[in-house]
Amino acid sequence: EDQVTQSPEALRLQEGESSSLNCSYTVSGLRGLFWYRQDPGKGPEFLFTLYSAGEEKEKERLKATLTKKESFLHITAPKPEDSATYLCAVQAGTGNQFYFGTGTSLTVIP
Amino acid sequence: DGGITQSPKYLFRKEGQNVTLSCEQNLNHDAMYWYRQDPGQGLRLIYYSQIVNDFQKGDIAEGYSVSREKKESFPLTVTSAQKNPTAFYLCASSIQQTSYNEQFFGPGTRLTVL
Repeated sequence: EDQVTQSPEALRLQEGESSSLNCSYTVSGLRGLFWYRQDPGKGPEFLFTLYSAGEEKEKERLKATLTKKESFLHITAPKPEDSATYLCAVQAGTGNQFYFGTGTSLTVIP
Repeated sequence: DGGITQSPKYLFRKEGQNVTLSCEQNLNHDAMYWYRQDPGQGLRLIYYSQIVNDFQKGDIAEGYSVSREKKESFPLTVTSAQKNPTAFYLCASSIQQTSYNEQFFGPGTRLTVL
């Protein structure tokens, strides 16, 4: 069964303390891996798409990387406004569905 | 501004009632989706539609119905057959479902059963 697992479930960082979020997947025929940010009570906001192993994307303090089995979302020198839940999703095989992980809740303390 | 709108933001339903959640997009996207989000669970697909007048069941379609009469609109009806409808409902759209395109989400509707 296709599966997407995110870790840790929750992460508390001091402002400026860099860290990484993990998204591991067990799917056949990965077509795309997607990162979203979700604030409480709001819809997910698209961040990145990664298509193949070795690919990297950056946006401000965020950098996403992809290997054959997992993706990392690196957060460099985070600020309190980076606090949110970060969701990972994959699209795989011949189907058109997205498979979502349960997310990592990030809290950045001033 | 282009985007996806959902209404209402909050919805309360009595047991036994059907309710309809609205989703409209002006992005000219072909595909539209409905997800349900519960605490501690990933987003789960209810229904999706690639073109007007066509839609397919997702993983948890029981107790839900949809229509796609216009490209920009994809309403979701939560019927009385849905035994546990209290959840956060998200509508999304993408340019074309069969290509490698990201989905964009609306702001969500929180449904509570009284």
